[in-house]
Amino acid sequence: DIVLTQSPGTLSLSPGDTAFLSCRASQSVVSNYLAWYQQKPGQAPRLLIYAASSRAVDIPDRFSGSGSGTDFTLTISRLEPDDFGLFFCQHYEPSSPWAFGQGTKVEIK
Amino acid sequence: DVQLVQSGAEVKKPGESLNISCQTSGYSFTSYWIGWVRQTPGKGLEWMGIISPRGSDSRPSPPFQGHVALSVDTSTRTAHLQWNSLGASDTAMYYCVLLMSPKAPASYWGHGSRVTVST
Repeated sequence: DIVLTQSPGTLSLSPGDTAFLSCRASQSVVSNYLAWYQQKPGQAPRLLIYAASSRAVDIPDRFSGSGSGTDFTLTISRLEPDDFGLFFCQHYEPSSPWAFGQGTKVEIK
Repeated sequence: DVQLVQSGAEVKKPGESLNISCQTSGYSFTSYWIGWVRQTPGKGLEWMGIISPRGSDSRPSPPFQGHVALSVDTSTRTAHLQWNSLGASDTAMYYCVLLMSPKAPASYWGHGSRVTVST
């Protein structure tokens, strides 16, 4: 089964900074079936990125995804106060039970 | 607008059965698969499984196979997640989600149903 490991556990940043969130897979994620979600306290997650680098509907271009194979990155440019929260990666590789990473918390410094 | 309205919080005892629901609206019902995701403080987010819009293809994730049942009522556009016998480890927040296909991420999320299993 594919296991996703996210790093760092917590990022402390200021508005205007750029955040780099890593998601590493234990095996190659074929066809880049990799998504990123944001979750704010008391809310359900929302989809940010799918297919490793495609933005979901209504997601600003400050959010970008990159990577392939086993290494993926979510980049958040020009951080805004509303961007802070918990971020998860998830693979939907058909040959392996779907799984989420454990999450990276982005907090205001 | 797409809406997923989930049933309310439940408090149950170990061994009891439970059915939680997710009523959908605002889209063509046959256009999306429905999935369920569990969230706990200890294990984070976990995929429980997905089901086709007509309910003919149910794919529970291996850790949940045999413990939960996924179903769909097309007449009411409602998905259901059912347990015959709850355990304390089923205490969690449960989200229903919509997927464009069985090879797609969760595009839309319900607000969640909190389940507490305790003596």
